[in-house]
Amino acid sequence: DTQVTQSPSSLSASVGDRVIITCRASENIHSYLNWYQQIPGRAPKLLIYGASRLQSGVPSRFSGSGSGTEFTLTIDSLQPEDFATYYCLGSYSALGTFGQGTKVEMK
Amino acid sequence: QLQLQESGPGLVKPSETLSLSCTVSGDSISSTSFYWAWIRQPPGKGLEWIGSIYYTGSTFYTSSLKSRVTISVDLSKNQFSLKMIAVTAADTAIYFCARRDPMLALDPWGQGTLVTVSS
Repeated sequence: DTQVTQSPSSLSASVGDRVIITCRASENIHSYLNWYQQIPGRAPKLLIYGASRLQSGVPSRFSGSGSGTEFTLTIDSLQPEDFATYYCLGSYSALGTFGQGTKVEMK
Repeated sequence: QLQLQESGPGLVKPSETLSLSCTVSGDSISSTSFYWAWIRQPPGKGLEWIGSIYYTGSTFYTSSLKSRVTISVDLSKNQFSLKMIAVTAADTAIYFCARRDPMLALDPWGQGTLVTVSS
């Protein structure tokens, strides 16, 4: 199975900051990498699919980049509603592997 | 609008079988190109993909759970189901169902259901 390593595990930021989260895959997964946001008590919400494609309805301050084994999620100008946990999901097979998660907390 | 809803017992005894169903509304579970997935999340921890099924019955399971898990589909009810045998406290988690598209994206998700393994 593909292994996915996400970093950092947590970060503190302020409203208006730029936040960058990274995921590294153990093998070439091309662009099969997605990003999710999870608010406590809720199901994860798809933000980015295909490494860089913004899901419909997701604010444009969210962006994804990368291919192969290195991927990033960028949140430009962090908003109060963005304080949450973010997960990447990647694979080059029928199953996916989630990253460990990044909790974005208020500084 | 596609919606998924998990259902099943919230409490299971150790060594017994966990059984959950996911009812799909707003689209046919027989839609081509889409798989249907089960994911779980232990309280306060990260997400784990359990397995996926295609409407034809073709299944894929994560290696760590493969020996204990069965996912099946019921086209007549527009549902797919999860069975996990020989559960332990480590299987206590919120169980989610979701649709998986060809880009591996999971969307939408059900709201999740908490299953506690305890005597």
